[in-house]
Amino acid sequence: EVQLVESGGGLIQPGGSLRLSCAASGFTFSSYWMHWVRQAPGKGLVWVSRINGDGSSTTYADSVKGRFTISRDNAENTLYLEMNSLTADDTAVYYCTRGSNCVDWGQGTLVTVSS
Amino acid sequence: DVVMTQSPLSLPVTLGQPASISCRSSQSLVHSDGNTYLNWFQQRPGQSPRRLIYKVSNRDSGVPDRFSGSGSGTDFTLKISRVEAEDVGIYYCMQGTHWPPITFGQGTRLQIK
Repeated sequence: EVQLVESGGGLIQPGGSLRLSCAASGFTFSSYWMHWVRQAPGKGLVWVSRINGDGSSTTYADSVKGRFTISRDNAENTLYLEMNSLTADDTAVYYCTRGSNCVDWGQGTLVTVSS
Repeated sequence: DVVMTQSPLSLPVTLGQPASISCRSSQSLVHSDGNTYLNWFQQRPGQSPRRLIYKVSNRDSGVPDRFSGSGSGTDFTLKISRVEAEDVGIYYCMQGTHWPPITFGQGTRLQIK
C-alpha cells in the first residue's frame, strides 16, 4: 500500500524558515516524479514544485521560486521542501503527491505564517 | 500556463440523481505522445484529494463505476450517474500534459439538495 506522510508544518513568523518532509513507502520511490501541492484555507489546489526520480531536475511555481527548495533522499525514501522568507501568502496545507499525474496524496501538513 | 476552467462552481444535487461537471482548458491537452493527461480529483470535507479519473476516462482502482469521465482536446466532463451522500465534496480537474506547472481547475462544490 502506498503511503505518503508529511510532517514539519507549524506556526512560523513572517520571514522565517521551515522544512517539510514527506516519508514515502509502498512503492519504488526513486522511480517517480514527486510534487508539492498546497491549499490555502478555503481555497483550491495550487502546484508548488516538482522533482524527478534521481533529483537532478527541479521546477518551481513563480510564487515560490528563489525561496523554496525541493529535494529528495532516495536512500531514506523521503521528499523535502525547504521554505525560506515565508509570508502570510504561504499559509496553506502542503501535500506531497506521487507521479506526474498525482496518483497518490499524503494527508498534508499545515503551515501557518503569522506574527 | 494552461488555464483550467470548471463549471458550475456549485452543484446542488438530489440523492439518486445524476451530476455533471465541465472542465475546459485554454489549450489542447493532447500530449505529443498521443495521450491526453486530464485527471479528476475528489476532495471530501476534511480529507486529502483523491484521484478518481486519469487520462480523461480511466477510473482509478476502487472508484465506483457511477463515476465516468469523457471529452477530448479542450473540453472534458465528469459525470456521476446517481449521486450518493458520500459524493459530497469538491471536485477538481487537473492537466498534466503541459507541465510545469501542473494546473488545476477552481473546484466544483457538490452538495446534496
